[in-house]
Amino acid sequence: NAGVTQTPKFRVLKTGQSMTLLCAQDMNHEYMYWYRQDPGMGLRLIHYSVGEGTTAKGEVPDGYNVSRLKKQNFLLGLESAAPSQTSVYFCASSYTSGTGYNTEAFFGQGTRLTVV
Amino acid sequence: DQQVKQNSPSLSVQEGRISILNCDYTNSMFDYFLWYKKYPAEGPTFLISISSIKDKNEDGRFTVFLNKSAKHLSLHIVPSQPGDSAVYFCSGSSNTGKLIFGQGTTLQVKP
Repeated sequence: NAGVTQTPKFRVLKTGQSMTLLCAQDMNHEYMYWYRQDPGMGLRLIHYSVGEGTTAKGEVPDGYNVSRLKKQNFLLGLESAAPSQTSVYFCASSYTSGTGYNTEAFFGQGTRLTVV
Repeated sequence: DQQVKQNSPSLSVQEGRISILNCDYTNSMFDYFLWYKKYPAEGPTFLISISSIKDKNEDGRFTVFLNKSAKHLSLHIVPSQPGDSAVYFCSGSSNTGKLIFGQGTTLQVKP
């Protein structure tokens, strides 16, 4: 099993350009997440999804959009990139236990995005 | 509003001694807490968890303690090993599916 795969691994964008980051998981997980990691800020939740066709805002959703058209894929879009969106982006997926707890999340390897 | 706080950015301990990493949370809806470990250029990996109905969970050298009244967690690593050197993230989860992380604490274990 590949687990959680993020595409691409690196990208340099010019201010104002758009791009889509793809996250794919092969574990049949219900929940998927997008985070950004910045120095001193930890992992901040951008958007998340609790099932196919559903998405919700996290802590820092502005400037990003997401879609979950298929259960295994979660796309993160930047419509007009800004230098403040330079970061490392992580995707994760998890499932709920029989008691309803959100179990451990599995993370991808990250996408390093630079906006110049 | 930072819902999960790790107020110590870094911690340095000697090999063989105990490492104690602390975490505070503000969201009363969190019912499950998880610790993750992260090495450079890799994604975080799950370490240990605890549900809100427990006050302690142990897995080998790792023990997590939960003080629900104080909204405080701690991760104990005994004995600490050089391979434990990494960034440790505390996180809280609610039944809405939201999973929120703290800022992380960089642990250095010196030989």
